[in-house]
Amino acid sequence: EPEVTQTPSHQVTQMGQEVILRCVPISNHLYFYWYRQILGQKVEFLVSFYNNEISEKSEIFDDQFSVERPDGSNFTLKIRSTKLEDSAMYFCASKETGANEQFFGPGTRLTVL
Amino acid sequence: AQSVAQPEDQVNVAEGNPLTVKCTYSVSGNPYLFWYVQYPNRGLQFLLKYITGDNLVKGSYGFEAEFNKSQTSFHLKKPSALVSDSALYFCAVRDPDTGRRALTFGSGTRLQVQP
Repeated sequence: EPEVTQTPSHQVTQMGQEVILRCVPISNHLYFYWYRQILGQKVEFLVSFYNNEISEKSEIFDDQFSVERPDGSNFTLKIRSTKLEDSAMYFCASKETGANEQFFGPGTRLTVL
Repeated sequence: AQSVAQPEDQVNVAEGNPLTVKCTYSVSGNPYLFWYVQYPNRGLQFLLKYITGDNLVKGSYGFEAEFNKSQTSFHLKKPSALVSDSALYFCAVRDPDTGRRALTFGSGTRLQVQP
């Protein structure tokens, strides 16, 4: 069964450094999403992406965040200058055209020191 | 604004007994409702959804959920719990009338099934 994959599974970085989280959505899906889950808290929406542009973003998704689909398979989330409070599990999700359910990857645990 | 409440942090049930995990929602229009399950160190796995039609929807692993519009609830149920059902369960909602595609999640309910 096709799955969303994410790399790395765990990323440790120093405050102020840039990180790129990578996702490979399910191959025939055209809608892509990033969510995050701070330890012990709710899963929160960050951004959705369709047709090579952001279609929706939350107030969390400020100027330090960006997303890109650099090729036909990858979907990335970049955090330009990480802060301690960016430490969280980041989930990528994708959705097929015409469907309603989003399929999630296993997540990348980001630890900012 | 769309929101979801899961009033129970944890639900304990004995193996073989029926289980219910509660969820209530708030949207301005007609909701799209979802249940996801998260096993340790894994992502969110889609269990089932309600979009329209029958209020009782069936999903993966023997789970079902009942949409109740008057009570704005979408409780997850299973007739006979398994130890392997122990996990974290999230309810989520989307309000299609707003044009938003983002899911809003509840805080999660940890299900513990005792042998």
